[in-house]
Amino acid sequence: QKEVEQNSGPLSVPEGAIASLNCTYSDRGSQSFFWYRQYSGKSPELIMSIYSNGDKEDGRFTAQLNKASQYVSLLIRDSQPSDSATYLCAAGLSGGYNKLIFGAGTRLAVHP
Amino acid sequence: ETGVTQTPRHLVMGMTNKKSLKCEQHLGHNAMYWYKQSAKKPLELMFVYNFKEQTENNSVPSRFSPECPNSSHLFLHLHTLQPEDSALYLCASSQVHSLQETQYFGPGTRLLVL
Repeated sequence: QKEVEQNSGPLSVPEGAIASLNCTYSDRGSQSFFWYRQYSGKSPELIMSIYSNGDKEDGRFTAQLNKASQYVSLLIRDSQPSDSATYLCAAGLSGGYNKLIFGAGTRLAVHP
Repeated sequence: ETGVTQTPRHLVMGMTNKKSLKCEQHLGHNAMYWYKQSAKKPLELMFVYNFKEQTENNSVPSRFSPECPNSSHLFLHLHTLQPEDSALYLCASSQVHSLQETQYFGPGTRLLVL
């Protein structure tokens, strides 16, 4: 059973701090990884994708991938109350290149 | 209309009803998906259509019946559902292109089965 694991949280950080969200995956052949943000009652919206080991930055967001450790993370700098949401990590399944496995999500709460 | 749209946004149905969910994508993609999201559980992939052909049925009960008449439209026909089928049903689309493809989600249909 291929899985993506995330700490359910809530992860509580003060406004302006760095929020660090982590994810591990079991399919060693996974090549593509995605972070989605989901506000309560809404659908997931893509924040970032990452395919190569290392860091990828986009504004206040940085995704980090370590395939050897099967680990993906998302850093949110200068966290804002509007960042409060559930963050979903997803990994593309090997052998089925348009199938994603999602984690259950980490709830982030940014308090003023 | 842009992106991925879904109708209806909310649906209440009895266990003996028949209803259909509709999804339309305006992104020019060639793959479409149905997901189920229940409280506190990961998104569950239900069906995948590539180029209008079903390529994945993730052991979904037959009371859920998908239909993909073209690459822009996807339906999920529902009949004799159970209360445990109450969930958020999400449609997504992507452009099948190597390994670097992203799925974009519609707003979802919140389904309540009484």
